[in-house]
Amino acid sequence: KQEVTQIPAALSVPEGENLVLNCSFTDSAIYNLQWFRQDPGKGLTSLLLIQSSQREQTSGRLNASLDKSSGRSTLYIAASQPGDSATYLCAVRPGGATNKLIFGTGTLLAVQP
Amino acid sequence: DGGITQSPKYLFRKEGQNVTLSCEQNLNHDAMYWYRQDPGQGLRLIYYSQIVNDFQKGDIAEGYSVSREKKESFPLTVTSAQKNPTAFYLCASSIDIGSVGNQPQHFGDGTRLSIL
Repeated sequence: KQEVTQIPAALSVPEGENLVLNCSFTDSAIYNLQWFRQDPGKGLTSLLLIQSSQREQTSGRLNASLDKSSGRSTLYIAASQPGDSATYLCAVRPGGATNKLIFGTGTLLAVQP
Repeated sequence: DGGITQSPKYLFRKEGQNVTLSCEQNLNHDAMYWYRQDPGQGLRLIYYSQIVNDFQKGDIAEGYSVSREKKESFPLTVTSAQKNPTAFYLCASSIDIGSVGNQPQHFGDGTRLSIL
């Protein structure tokens, strides 16, 4: 059974610092991996989607990498800002016909001004 | 603007009552999903629908029911059989069915359900 783990559960950094969030999954047979951002009391905003054949995706200050063989993904945030404060969730789509996602429990990020 | 609308934002349920959460999308997406989010547990899939008039159970379907009579709408009913319904409920949709492309899921802003 696929399990997704995110470490650390919470992270606090000063503004301007570069940081890395980690996501690991137990079954490497995935279709894709998606990173989301969730603000308090809100839904999820899709940040990056990495297909199983890709190694990384970039969007602005965000870079996500995928190493399927080791069951790991990282989300790199450059030059962090207070507005980046949120919960970051990763989710994997297992191989198969449906677009079901299996989520990690998230990393709560606080960027201190 | 295209998006997913969930209503109400807050909902209270009395003992023995069924309540229905609304989810509407104007993205022309085929697939829709309902997730439940509890503190410290991430999101868990309740039901999903890949096409109108068809839906499948997710990992925690007991105590819930859905319908998919229109492409745009996927309401979730929390029945009295669901003994621990207090949670944040999120609806999502996506464009692809099966292996047709790698498309992200898009989420609504959620409904917070509490017990009176």
